[in-house]
Amino acid sequence: DIQMTQSPSSLSASVGDRVTITCQASQDISNYLNWYQQKPGKAPKLLIYDASNLETGVPSRFSGSGSGTDFTFTISSLQPEDIATYYCQQYDNLPPFAFGPGTKVDIK
Amino acid sequence: QVTLRESGPALVKPTQTLTLTCTFSGFSLSTSGMCVSWIRQPPGKALEWLALIDWDDDKYYSTSLKTRLTISKDTSKNQVVLTMTNMDPVDTATYYCARIGGGSSNYFDYWGQGTLVTVSS
Repeated sequence: DIQMTQSPSSLSASVGDRVTITCQASQDISNYLNWYQQKPGKAPKLLIYDASNLETGVPSRFSGSGSGTDFTFTISSLQPEDIATYYCQQYDNLPPFAFGPGTKVDIK
Repeated sequence: QVTLRESGPALVKPTQTLTLTCTFSGFSLSTSGMCVSWIRQPPGKALEWLALIDWDDDKYYSTSLKTRLTISKDTSKNQVVLTMTNMDPVDTATYYCARIGGGSSNYFDYWGQGTLVTVSS
């Protein structure tokens, strides 16, 4: 099965900062990579699909890039409402799917 | 409007079988490309994908849990059922169902609110 890693596991940044999270797959997954935001006590919310496509209604400060095994998720200007844990998820055409271990983002 | 809602017992005893139901609206699981998955999250831990059933009744399972899981659907009732046998305290988690809405991309675009299942004697 494909394994996913994320770094960092947590980060603290100031409002307005640029935040970058990386996700790595254990084998080539092309662009089959999605990003979700989860706030405490809530279900995850889709932000980015197919590595770089912004889900409808998601603010443009969120973006994603990458292909193959290495992917990046960026918040261009961190806002207080962005405090959450962010997960990458691979799908590689068919299941089994896999989520990364998550990155917790806090305000400094 | 797409909605999903999980239901099932809040507490199960070790060795028991867990049965969870996902009741959805706003789409049909008989439509080509539609899928429903189960995903769980132990308290304070990461998301873990469990199982998926698609419009064609194809079923897929987590490699590590496939001997304990069964997923099924009742298209007429708009329901997907997950059973997990031989429950253990480490299976304590919030269990979510989520939809994949068709097309060539497999992303979870709608989620239920989750149901917390505690395994304890």
